[in-house]
Amino acid sequence: KAGVTQTPRYLIKTRGQQVTLSCSPISGHRSVSWYQQTPGQGLQFLFEYFSETQRNKGNFPGRFSGRQFSNSRSEMNVSTLELGDSALYLCASSAGLAGGHNEQFFGPGTRLTVL
Amino acid sequence: SQQGEEDPQALSIQEGENATMNCSYKTSINNLQWYRQNSGRGLVHLILIRSNEREKHSGRLRVTLDTSKKSSSLLITASRAADTASYFCATAGREYGNKLVFGAGTILRVKS
Repeated sequence: KAGVTQTPRYLIKTRGQQVTLSCSPISGHRSVSWYQQTPGQGLQFLFEYFSETQRNKGNFPGRFSGRQFSNSRSEMNVSTLELGDSALYLCASSAGLAGGHNEQFFGPGTRLTVL
Repeated sequence: SQQGEEDPQALSIQEGENATMNCSYKTSINNLQWYRQNSGRGLVHLILIRSNEREKHSGRLRVTLDTSKKSSSLLITASRAADTASYFCATAGREYGNKLVFGAGTILRVKS
């Protein structure tokens, strides 16, 4: 089985722009979670989708949004980019509901740099 | 927010030695997971231990969980240079809405 894929792998944007990141989960996995990783804040949960519904949300401003499609692929969008949004964005998929119930399989991440 | 705190923050050992990392958390949990990350890449799941389990093994890995002390430890035996990575514990419980909350991680360096 192919692993979790994320596109693009690297992205450079300027402040005020918006960005869309994509994640394709492992075939058959219906749960997709997103995380932001920065040196200062570590790994922080953004949101989780299961069967096209947002099941859980982290403590991030409304500029961060996401969605999941019927084929379980997910996208996250960040609008009005700020310098502090520079981070590694990780997507993870799980066979069932994620959270603490199942192991999560992570993609390689998208490295976003905001200038 | 970070529920788990790993100790030590960094660890440097010789190949062949054992490495022990500890994780403490604050609230009751459903279970606790350990992940490894190589050089800012994606995380790899190592072990999931449920709140009613005390010990789990996987190859050279041994994880213990003490819910009374709200702590867990990860032991890597006979370490190899390839074990060099960051190791994170992650917990999920009702008080955090069952989302996975990661600690700050332990950076392990295995010298050959």
